Amino acid sequence: QQQVKQSPQSLIVQKGGISIINCAYENTAFDYFPWYQQFPGKGPALLIAIRPDVSEKKEGRFTISFNKSAKQFSLHIMDSQPGDSATYFCAASKEGDTNAGKSTFGDGTTLTVKP
Amino acid sequence: DGGITQSPKYLFRKEGQNVTLSCEQNLNHDAMYWYRQDPGQGLRLIYYSQIVNDFQKGDIAEGYSVSREKKESFPLTVTSAQKNPTAFYLCASSGLIGEAFFGQGTRLTVV
Repeated sequence: QQQVKQSPQSLIVQKGGISIINCAYENTAFDYFPWYQQFPGKGPALLIAIRPDVSEKKEGRFTISFNKSAKQFSLHIMDSQPGDSATYFCAASKEGDTNAGKSTFGDGTTLTVKP
Repeated sequence: DGGITQSPKYLFRKEGQNVTLSCEQNLNHDAMYWYRQDPGQGLRLIYYSQIVNDFQKGDIAEGYSVSREKKESFPLTVTSAQKNPTAFYLCASSGLIGEAFFGQGTRLTVV
């Protein structure tokens, strides 16, 4: 049973458009929700993360929206650029858990931003 | 620079051969992990270790082995029992705050 479900599997957006990737989780004990960005042939790297005490976090063009009651969170990329083309993974874990890196990951979304 | 170092970047294995992938971290993290990634797929956990001299199987441990003799090092051996080893292998580590730090990966190909 998958604890974090991510959608869509792939996404094509025009340059300047908004990219939206969604994730839903099941375990209410999770309290740390990061998004990772992975370029081809590279390891994933933390992009932005949120904790459930806030409903939104923004860093530049990247925003996480968090809905605790619905157990959902989403990544919004504003003014999407070709350089944003990558695979994005959502994840969920419990902070303070020494297995934080054993986060439950979504299956990933391949984003293509067309010029 | 602090981080995770994986080597080699590319590795070729002959049929029936064991190969070892290296992973070193200087982040002083207790926990380390190995993931396998197939083309267009997500991250599948192979093994993880929370402390030196202790490790646990992940979801796809068959055909793999690990050791954790030092806090900084967590090598992965792909044995001949792993029938389909061609994949991208990622090592990661984490502290108590939830972020995982990943290495740059090793691409293993069977020839």
